[in-house]
Amino acid sequence: GAVVSQHPSWVICKSGTSVKIECRSLDFQATTMFWYRQFPKQSLMLMATSNEGSKATYEQGVEKDKFLINHASLTLSTLTVTSAHPEDSSFYICSAIEGVRGNQPQHFGDGTRLSIL
Amino acid sequence: GQNIDQPTEMTATEGAIVQINCTYQTSGFNGLFWYQQHAGEAPTFLSYNVLDGLEEKGRFSSFLSRSKGYSYLLLKELQMKDSASYLCVKNTGGFKTIFGAGTRLFVKA
Repeated sequence: GAVVSQHPSWVICKSGTSVKIECRSLDFQATTMFWYRQFPKQSLMLMATSNEGSKATYEQGVEKDKFLINHASLTLSTLTVTSAHPEDSSFYICSAIEGVRGNQPQHFGDGTRLSIL
Repeated sequence: GQNIDQPTEMTATEGAIVQINCTYQTSGFNGLFWYQQHAGEAPTFLSYNVLDGLEEKGRFSSFLSRSKGYSYLLLKELQMKDSASYLCVKNTGGFKTIFGAGTRLFVKA
């Protein structure tokens, strides 16, 4: 089955640090990847849609300069949280869709738990 | 708006059957996903319904009524490992989806 690998699983760092999270589709090509944020006991909130070779589409209220997304290849998208602060602490999850049809299920990475001290 | 409504929590007994309901606005509907998410883990795909009716997949079944804006996930022969959040997700076209807040299911012995 389609596997999405997300790395790292856990990050603990000081305020002001920039953190990069990688999302890879291991056995399929993902034209489109998604980045979500999830707070405890809440559902996933879409941050941005990442398309290979083009600029990401950010959801309303998500700062583009704060959350940099790069989708350089069909198997890799990265999210960089720049100058992270404690309020950025959250669970970040990526997902990828195999193929180009919108009715395909999203395959999720295992998530990255980010804690900013 | 695009509210997706599902119960916040449910409790059921091991071996029993539980039905998790989901209602959504019928406008802009292209399909409905159900995902399972264990605490601290990423969601995993369970089902996708586009047409009305019931689709069965082992112990899990999913039902859709497009005219009523209604879906449910049916879990049979509950096991302790089924304790998780179940997310109702509406496909609004293309790759656009809207996630419900999820239903936390507790399975007790």
